[in-house]
Amino acid sequence: GIQVEQSPPDLILQEGANSTLRCNFSDSVNNLQWFHQNPWGQLINLFYIPSGTKQNGRLSATTVATERYSLLYISSSQTTDSGVYFCAVDVNQAGTALIFGKGTTLSVSS
Amino acid sequence: EAQVTQNPRYLITVTGKKLTVTCSQNMNHEYMSWYRQDPGLGLRQIYYSMNVEVTDKGDVPEGYKVSRKEKRNFPLILESPSPNQTSLYFCASSTPLAGGPGEQFFGPGTRLTVL
Repeated sequence: GIQVEQSPPDLILQEGANSTLRCNFSDSVNNLQWFHQNPWGQLINLFYIPSGTKQNGRLSATTVATERYSLLYISSSQTTDSGVYFCAVDVNQAGTALIFGKGTTLSVSS
Repeated sequence: EAQVTQNPRYLITVTGKKLTVTCSQNMNHEYMSWYRQDPGLGLRQIYYSMNVEVTDKGDVPEGYKVSRKEKRNFPLILESPSPNQTSLYFCASSTPLAGGPGEQFFGPGTRLTVL
């Protein structure tokens, strides 16, 4: 089956720093989503981005489907950005689950 | 407000005592799914439903049951819970797109402990 790998596994930042999280996938995908899991465990949709670039405030994401990767950019990080960032893909098959990467754990300190 | 709700949010129970975790969505989504999240294993799909009265097994269905009698509700049933079902459970819903489940929206999670 398809493999989804995220890097780095852990990231520690000072408030105000920028960061780039990467998601590689081993095969063609239908779609890709980025989620933030906050310290209370809730999964929050960030981007639904099968290809191209999207921006939402300090966050942006780019997916290059032909090269099988996606990047999540966080600018001017804040302590509230802390948590785990997951990318998840789905393949063109009815009923399939999202296939999650293992996540990047981000800690932002003030 | 568009949302997926789950109840209860936290539950501590004992081995063998039947329980149900409810999931409801108000977005008229056809697709609903249950996941469990465990340390080191990530999120894994338990069951999914493409529409009313249509359900199928995911990757880890053993020990669970589901039903989809109404479009908005997708309860998860543990007939005889065991300690290895201690986990964080998420319900999700979406409108299928291009042959896949589409953009999924997750509920707040249910943290279950089975003693």
